[in-house]
Amino acid sequence: KQEVTQIPAALSVPEGENLVLNCSFTDSAIYNLQWFRQDPGKGLTSLLLIQSSQREQTSGRLNASLDKSSGRSTLYIAASQPGDSATYLCAVGGSYGQNFVFGPGTRLSVLP
Amino acid sequence: GEEVAQTPKHLVRGEGQKAKLYCAPIKGHSYVFWYQQVLKNEFKFLISFQNENVFDETGMPKERFSAKCLPNSPCSLEIQATKLEDSAVYFCASRQGGNQPQHFGDGTRLSIL
Repeated sequence: KQEVTQIPAALSVPEGENLVLNCSFTDSAIYNLQWFRQDPGKGLTSLLLIQSSQREQTSGRLNASLDKSSGRSTLYIAASQPGDSATYLCAVGGSYGQNFVFGPGTRLSVLP
Repeated sequence: GEEVAQTPKHLVRGEGQKAKLYCAPIKGHSYVFWYQQVLKNEFKFLISFQNENVFDETGMPKERFSAKCLPNSPCSLEIQATKLEDSAVYFCASRQGGNQPQHFGDGTRLSIL
């Protein structure tokens, strides 16, 4: 059974810092991995989707990497802003069309 | 539509009553998923559909929970004889194909009193 963990559980940084969020999964036989952010009282906003054959994806100030063999993914946020404050979740897909297994999330606060 | 639309935003029911939640996936998306998030904790997968067919229902508490995705209608998740522990936010998501990103709605907050 796939298990997903995220470290740290919470993170508070001053505005402008670069930061890394970590996601680990126990079963390396994944199909894809998706990073989301969740704002309070809201649903999930998709950030990046990495297929199992890819090593990284980039969108603006965000870069996500995937190392399947070690069961790890990282989300790098450059030049953080207060608007980046949210909970960040990684989710792992096991096969085509299958549901995601979610990590518990990292709660990020970027202080002005 | 271009967004996953969930209704209602908030639903309050007395213990033992029925609750029915609705989800309109993004047009053209073949897969629909239902997840339950209790007290801002982890997302628990409930059920998924490929078009109107159940794709995976391994997460569904089968005694009281049921779901449908019928053609030309919003998908629905129904809970019979609700219990206090059913209080949660229920999220619907859709995706175009199995290797495409999932898109989530804003959720329905179900409160059982």
